[in-house]
Amino acid sequence: DAKTTQPTSMDCAEGRAANLPCNHSTISGNEYVYWYRQIHSQGPQYIIHGLKNNETNEMASLIITEDRKSSTLILPHATLRDTAVYYCIVRVPNAGNMLTFGGGTRLMVKP
Amino acid sequence: KAGVTQTPRYLIKTRGQQVTLSCSPISGHRSVSWYQQTPGQGLQFLFEYFSETQRNKGNFPGRFSGRQFSNSRSEMNVSTLELGDSALYLCASSLGQGYGNTIYFGEGSWLTVV
Repeated sequence: DAKTTQPTSMDCAEGRAANLPCNHSTISGNEYVYWYRQIHSQGPQYIIHGLKNNETNEMASLIITEDRKSSTLILPHATLRDTAVYYCIVRVPNAGNMLTFGGGTRLMVKP
Repeated sequence: KAGVTQTPRYLIKTRGQQVTLSCSPISGHRSVSWYQQTPGQGLQFLFEYFSETQRNKGNFPGRFSGRQFSNSRSEMNVSTLELGDSALYLCASSLGQGYGNTIYFGEGSWLTVV
């Protein structure tokens, strides 16, 4: 399975864009990149996912490099409520709905 | 639309007892999966059910079991509880089993074993 590497922690100033990187250099052509976040003591919250093209929704944007070996989740205007652990996950075709979570990035948004 | 609902939210059990946790998926979702989250091991996949059949299983002992009902509701059971079973147990659901289906999580059930 494609493994992901994320920084352990990051800080961001409130109101600024938060750019969270993820490396998935062994990803295969048909594997999706999913992002979730987990606010303390709550269940993981789905943010966005993509295959090849960049994606945007009301929460965030996902930029996937052309070679698909890395991606960046962008929160355009971070707020204090965006403080959470962010998980980048590669979903593989033969794993059904099994998600493999790594350690994620602990994003701290500061006033 | 209601999200994934888990009950109970908090419970305390004694070592050696058993526990049953319940999950109601999002309406229309047919796939349910369970995860365990501990400070030491992080989020780990337990098992997945689709159409009342277990489709995938994580690396957990046989004390951990689950089932899915015809209405897609699911329960998981842990027998002979150990202190190390103290964790947040998360249920997740999706429309189908394909990897293009988005998975949505509930708020979890906090289990403390004393």
